[in-house]
Amino acid sequence: AQSVTQLGSHVSVSEGALVLLRCNYSSSVPPYLFWYVQYPNQGLQLLLKYTTGATLVKGINGFEAEFKKSETSFHLTKPSAHMSDAAEYFCAVSKTSGSRLTFGEGTQLTVNP
Amino acid sequence: DTGVSQDPRHKITKRGQNVTFRCDPISEHNRLYWYRQTLGQGPEFLTYFQNEAQLEKSRLLSDRFSAERPKGSFSTLEIQRTEQGDSAMYLCASRPPPGTGGTDTQYFGPGTRLTVL
Repeated sequence: AQSVTQLGSHVSVSEGALVLLRCNYSSSVPPYLFWYVQYPNQGLQLLLKYTTGATLVKGINGFEAEFKKSETSFHLTKPSAHMSDAAEYFCAVSKTSGSRLTFGEGTQLTVNP
Repeated sequence: DTGVSQDPRHKITKRGQNVTFRCDPISEHNRLYWYRQTLGQGPEFLTYFQNEAQLEKSRLLSDRFSAERPKGSFSTLEIQRTEQGDSAMYLCASRPPPGTGGTDTQYFGPGTRLTVL
């Protein structure tokens, strides 16, 4: 069975500071990895994904993540936080292309002025 | 290209009543998924369809839950004899068929928030 652990249910940063949201996964097969963002009362929007190839992936809004197989991690970073980044972020894993997603419990990001 | 749409956006019902939600996927997307998200948690998989065939169901999908996709386009999720524990956001997602771009990405709708009193 696959699982995802997001360390820190709440992360608070100052505007302009580095954002680091942690995600570790377990999977019996090479995983497909995703980060989604959810704004209040809305659905999930894909930020970025790793399927194969380059382990450093870039997404929308200046976010990027690095797949580290040895650490079973897929941490999300952004060099400089913006107020509009305040939202809930979910890491997810799937076994194959298009199979069910298994999500972590989410990290609520607060950006302080 | 319109996104995934869900109707209604909010539903308040009394315990014991039946409710039905509708999901319209992105046009030409052959896979459609249902997830449930309770407050403070990540979404949990319920079921998915490829065209009109229901290919997988989670153990979370009790006998009171049924989902259909009769013509391979829109889908409905029905909950019979609702319980307070059914209160959650019900999310629908769709995925394009193989051979097109983004087949490994699920595109989510805005969700239907169900409150059972």
